Amino acid sequence: QKEVEQNSGPLSVPEGAIASLNCTYSDRVSQSFFWYRQYSGKSPELIMSIYSNGDKEDGRFTAQLNKASQYVSLLIRDSQPSDSATYLCAVMSSGGSNYKLTFGKGTLLTVNP
Amino acid sequence: SAVISQKPSRDICQRGTSLTIQCQVDSQVTMMFWYRQQPGQSLTLIATANQGSEATYESGFVIDKFPISRPNLTFSTLTVSNMSPEDSSIYLCSVPNWGETHSGANVLTFGAGSRLTVL
Repeated sequence: QKEVEQNSGPLSVPEGAIASLNCTYSDRVSQSFFWYRQYSGKSPELIMSIYSNGDKEDGRFTAQLNKASQYVSLLIRDSQPSDSATYLCAVMSSGGSNYKLTFGKGTLLTVNP
Repeated sequence: SAVISQKPSRDICQRGTSLTIQCQVDSQVTMMFWYRQQPGQSLTLIATANQGSEATYESGFVIDKFPISRPNLTFSTLTVSNMSPEDSSIYLCSVPNWGETHSGANVLTFGAGSRLTVL
């Protein structure tokens, strides 16, 4: 049974702070990792992806992957109230021919003005 | 990115009835995916809808409960049959965005979802 675990939160940070979201996964052959943002009542939207160990930066977002520890994280710098949402970690176990994603339950982030 | 239209966006249904959710995509796609998001839970893949063949169901989901149609490359329906309150959930249609990749894997785009409440 492939599992993706996230702290459900809520995680509350002040505006301008760094928000750190964590995710662990059980399937060692997992290859691609995604972070989706889901605003209340809306569909998930992809914000970051990573497949190599290390850090990947995109604007205020940094994804970090450690395959040995089966751990992936998302850092949001200079957090804004508009970042308040549920962040879903998703894991894909094989290459591009398989689009099956296993999702975590999500972490609710609240950024306080 | 593909644009997905789902309907209904929400509905309140009576126990024992069935409801069909429609998913329309603005481009042709080989695979369409149906997910369920129960309250406070993660997204769970129900099945993969392939055009021209039967849908492939994930463990725990059966065709009698969730029949799927895929008449062409831009449209699919998911029916939730003989509903019970446990079926209250958000149902989402998803497609891969061909040509748009992240980390070597195709990106999935989701529809806005259909929120069902079963009384």
